[in-house]
Amino acid sequence: NAGVTQTPKFQVLKTGQSMTLQCAQDMNHEYMSWYRQDPGMGLRLIHYSVGAGITDQGEVPNGYNVSRSTTEDFPLRLLSAAPSQTSVYFCASSRVEGAPYNEQFFGPGTRLTVL
Amino acid sequence: AQSVTQPDIHITVSEGASLELRCNYSYGATPYLFWYVQSPGQGLQLLLKYFSGDTLVQGIKGFEAEFKRSQSSFNLRKPSVHWSDAAEYFCAVGGGYSTLTFGKGTMLLVSP
Repeated sequence: NAGVTQTPKFQVLKTGQSMTLQCAQDMNHEYMSWYRQDPGMGLRLIHYSVGAGITDQGEVPNGYNVSRSTTEDFPLRLLSAAPSQTSVYFCASSRVEGAPYNEQFFGPGTRLTVL
Repeated sequence: AQSVTQPDIHITVSEGASLELRCNYSYGATPYLFWYVQSPGQGLQLLLKYFSGDTLVQGIKGFEAEFKRSQSSFNLRKPSVHWSDAAEYFCAVGGGYSTLTFGKGTMLLVSP
C-alpha cells in the first residue's frame, strides 16, 4: 500500500492564480481531510469528508473548495490564491466505522508559497 | 468545542536528560488523545495514543504519556533524550468523525 499520497510536494503560485492540491489514499478509508500548518499555529482543519459526495467545513475553510467524487481522492482547490494561503498542507485519511476511534494516516505534505 | 494547549513553545534538554512535554485538553466527553512528532521538512508520525483503559501508555521510540482526567492533561515523557529526538511535538484530541484538534506544538531542542 502506498498509504496517503500528495502531489505536488512543492508549489509556487502568484496571487490570483488557481490550483488543485491532489490527495489520494489506497486504504479504502471513508474519512479524508485537509489541514494547513503554519508556524506557531499547529495544524488546523480546512475541510473533511466522510465519504464520496459528502464534505464539510473545518476550522479554516475560507478560500478553499473540495469535492469527493471517489473514495480514493480528495482534491483541495484554491480558486484565487492569496499570500495568506502560503502554508504546508497535509491530507489525512482514516476509517469511519469501528470503535472507539480511528487513527488518521497523514500524507507527506505539500509546501505552497503564494507570491 | 474541543481545544488543546501546549504551554511550552520551545524546550531545550541536554542529551541524556529526561523530558516532559505538557499537554492540556478541553473536551466534553471521553477524550481520544494523541502525540505526534514532526521532524524538519517531514510529515507527522504518531508516537502514541490513548483511547481508554490504562492511563499510562507506551509509544514508539521510548516515549510514554500519562492521561490524568482530573487535570485534563496528557503529558509526554521520555527518561533519556537522544539528539535524534530534536523535532516538533504535537498533542491532539480526537472528536467526532475522526476529526483531530491539534495544539500549537512544542519545539524540542537537544543540547550536547
